[in-house]
Amino acid sequence: GAGVSQSPRYKVAKRGQDVALRCDPISGHVSLFWYQQALGQGPEFLTYFQNEAQLDKSGLPSDRFFAERPEGSVSTLKIQRTQQEDSAVYLCASSLAPMNTGELFFGEGSRLTVL
Amino acid sequence: DQQVKQNSPSLSVQEGRISILNCDYTNSMFDYFLWYKKYPAEGPTFLISISSIKDKNEDGRFTVFLNKSAKHLSLHIVPSQPGDSAVYFCAASARGGTSYGKLTFGQGTILTVHP
Repeated sequence: GAGVSQSPRYKVAKRGQDVALRCDPISGHVSLFWYQQALGQGPEFLTYFQNEAQLDKSGLPSDRFFAERPEGSVSTLKIQRTQQEDSAVYLCASSLAPMNTGELFFGEGSRLTVL
Repeated sequence: DQQVKQNSPSLSVQEGRISILNCDYTNSMFDYFLWYKKYPAEGPTFLISISSIKDKNEDGRFTVFLNKSAKHLSLHIVPSQPGDSAVYFCAASARGGTSYGKLTFGQGTILTVHP
């Protein structure tokens, strides 16, 4: 497709389960970002990839969060031992430039609910 | 530490009138500002941006004003249309360095335009 694709769109997990969220960026886009959006809040930065290199992971809230982009295209955000506070929409965004000039193209998000 | 703030959670406007959405920031390193629009169950979509070297940028019905001394920006929509009803996010970026252009978002303002 032409846009950023994320799956699953909705995920319900029991507390303690591991989850994996997938992002398929726009073809050829070098930069890829993950954001977390809690209810009623704006998106908050989690991590940044330039091709396959994870250059910034300062926004990951704990070591239960792990992201990868092994071939510089599709990215996966993994959350281990999910907690209720992990419930949020996880947004993936990509841009063409290696140093983002500002405009990001966002996917529709993966809504995670932890019971 | 909320570096980008949108102090009005919601705004209601009559169709045909002007909508003014406000945003304040605290980080003086921010040099690029954007507005994103978000419909329910969709990802944010880019609307308009402004560089810190300018104080105004216009695109059709949308105009963004930047007041650097006050660390304040605003989005004007004239005339407002019912289809403009959405959540509007202000975002800021410090391009260059090791920021990789990551965006810092405000909490969002829900705009409702009544027919």
